[in-house]
Amino acid sequence: GENVEQHPSTLSVQEGDSAVIKCTYSDSASNYFPWYKQELGKGPQLIIDIRSNVGEKKDQRIAVTLNKTAKHFSLHITETQPEDSAVYFCAASIGLELSFGAGTTVTVRA
Amino acid sequence: DARVTQTPRHKVTEMGQEVTMRCQPILGHNTVFWYRQTMMQGLELLAYFRNRAPLDDSGMPKDRFSAEMPDATLATLKIQPSEPRDSAVYFCASGFFPQGYEQYFGPGTRLTVT
Repeated sequence: GENVEQHPSTLSVQEGDSAVIKCTYSDSASNYFPWYKQELGKGPQLIIDIRSNVGEKKDQRIAVTLNKTAKHFSLHITETQPEDSAVYFCAASIGLELSFGAGTTVTVRA
Repeated sequence: DARVTQTPRHKVTEMGQEVTMRCQPILGHNTVFWYRQTMMQGLELLAYFRNRAPLDDSGMPKDRFSAEMPDATLATLKIQPSEPRDSAVYFCASGFFPQGYEQYFGPGTRLTVT
């Protein structure tokens, strides 16, 4: 099955700085790559996604890039704010089945 | 706004008891997923349904877990008998395939088996 690795496991950034989380996947047939944000006591919230026919996608302060050749994709958060503090998960899928990374705990220091 | 709902939000039970978790997918969504989240294993897919038909339950321990979708607005996950190792947060997610790949998660049921 698909194997997704995510780095770093923890990330501390100063408010206003950028945060970058990187993921790699194993199966070249994967075609959908979502990112989820999970706050304490809540379910994962879909924040952005990208399909394999697109190299980059941006939504306000969040952007995702995909390198199919290298089989890696990244989440970029610019101008970080305290409310960006959460656990972020990347995932990859072939069809309906999502395989998740282990998560990155992001802390934004005020 | 449209959300996935799950009940109960918390459940504490003794080993050997039956546990039933319920999920109401977003209205109009045709695909429902059950996930389990633990510190050790992270987020794991247990089973999923499309148009109420089970598509895959290979992630689920068959001897004690069962998942059903009695109608389009209700999905259930049962554990019988429950064991301490089943303690986890169980999430339901829904989506509308093949038109979209997005999966929207509910708030989860935190299960503790003593």
